[in-house]
Amino acid sequence: QKEVEQNSGPLSVPEGAIASLNCTYSDRVSQSFFWYRQYSGKSPELIMSIYSNGDKEDGRFTAQLNKASQYVSLLIRDSQPSDSATYLCAVNRRAGANSKLTFGKGITLSVRP
Amino acid sequence: SQTIHQWPATLVQPVGSPLSLECTVEGTSNPNLYWYRQAAGRGLQLLFYSVGIGQISSEVPQNLSASRPQDRQFILSSKKLLLSDSGFYLCAWWTIDYGYTFGSGTRLTVV
Repeated sequence: QKEVEQNSGPLSVPEGAIASLNCTYSDRVSQSFFWYRQYSGKSPELIMSIYSNGDKEDGRFTAQLNKASQYVSLLIRDSQPSDSATYLCAVNRRAGANSKLTFGKGITLSVRP
Repeated sequence: SQTIHQWPATLVQPVGSPLSLECTVEGTSNPNLYWYRQAAGRGLQLLFYSVGIGQISSEVPQNLSASRPQDRQFILSSKKLLLSDSGFYLCAWWTIDYGYTFGSGTRLTVV
């Protein structure tokens, strides 16, 4: 089993719709979880971090974490064409220093105007 | 403010040639620094990380090496490049508040 798995994609949604991106992880002791957005040819940029079970909202973005199910998701409301990018899920075994993130392969989102 | 610089942006090198990629950070001291590689169609792979000057941990046995000669400088090197070394190389630093912040990356093509 891969350490961090994301839906193979690509995912295509119409403008204004909700995009749902999913991620599962295998290490039960994982402490912190991150979603990064990566535009083509660019480096990843942090969108959301989440540490506790439940939902965390930031603008149009909501991260959801369920540690019992080893599942983390990202919802993008009112999707815009500018949201078209690859989204990377990352997991960290530790919440403190010496952190090393393990990344999923990413899922490419396309928002149709 | 905290910033991370990485260069060059693109590089085309012949097989068997040496490599040196440099990463520097500003606005912080004693950062945790990382080198990742992203090959076509693959996820980000951690290559090396460093928690201080001269302290390097290797995650994947390979043709590459890393050094940290100064607190805010992290260098990725190779003596002889292979075709399989092609990819997008990213330097990153970690903070407890923001997780990883990545540099702008170097796209390396070995020909």
